[in-house]
Amino acid sequence: DTGVSQDPRHKITKRGQNVTFRCDPISEHNRLYWYRQTLGQGPEFLTYFQNEAQLEKSRLLSDRFSAERPKGSFSTLEIQRTEQGDSAMYLCASSLPGQATSDTQYFGPGTRLTVL
Amino acid sequence: QKEVEQDPGPLSVPEGAIVSLNCTYSNSAFQYFMWYRQYSRKGPELLMYTYSSGNKEDGRFTAQVDKSSKYISLFIRDSQPSDSATYLCAMKPGGTSYGKLTFGQGTILTVHP
Repeated sequence: DTGVSQDPRHKITKRGQNVTFRCDPISEHNRLYWYRQTLGQGPEFLTYFQNEAQLEKSRLLSDRFSAERPKGSFSTLEIQRTEQGDSAMYLCASSLPGQATSDTQYFGPGTRLTVL
Repeated sequence: QKEVEQDPGPLSVPEGAIVSLNCTYSNSAFQYFMWYRQYSRKGPELLMYTYSSGNKEDGRFTAQVDKSSKYISLFIRDSQPSDSATYLCAMKPGGTSYGKLTFGQGTILTVHP
């Protein structure tokens, strides 16, 4: 499978715990995006990496959220002191510049987080 | 007011019908327009990609962009039960090729046999 992969697919945690999600982009894709999707809504942008550099962050990304892409390949998204409002699907997407469809973003299956 | 508005439906049609899905937007900087399909509990899958105004056809799918009206559409001909999913419009500004996507709320479509 050469698509975007995310791990875990589901995570249930108690309020106040820390969680970490992993995203493996399509091989050679140097751009990586994180989005959050709540029930009945479209995905909302969280942050964007080009290689290992984090180039843009949404105001949605509070101090409790941190994302890394240390070697420009996989990325992690950590949420500290989780709150019930953090319950959502966390989606990762990757892209490669120079394609005919200019930075088309390909999405992974998502990590569904439930905070009890 | 959201930058991208999309009627959430739900929309229910019989097999073989022509489906019309629409989004309006307020940000005139948007230049790239996409339609994604999302099955339940899955990630979005790109269906159509259009730059600026005009029409684009791919099999049973046709995407239209009217920048003067800030209005985009997706038409599905000869709809099939397998088309049952949530359809998301997405867009991003021009000027640079990269950038975050701004999504609509998604329209839930059911095609019944």
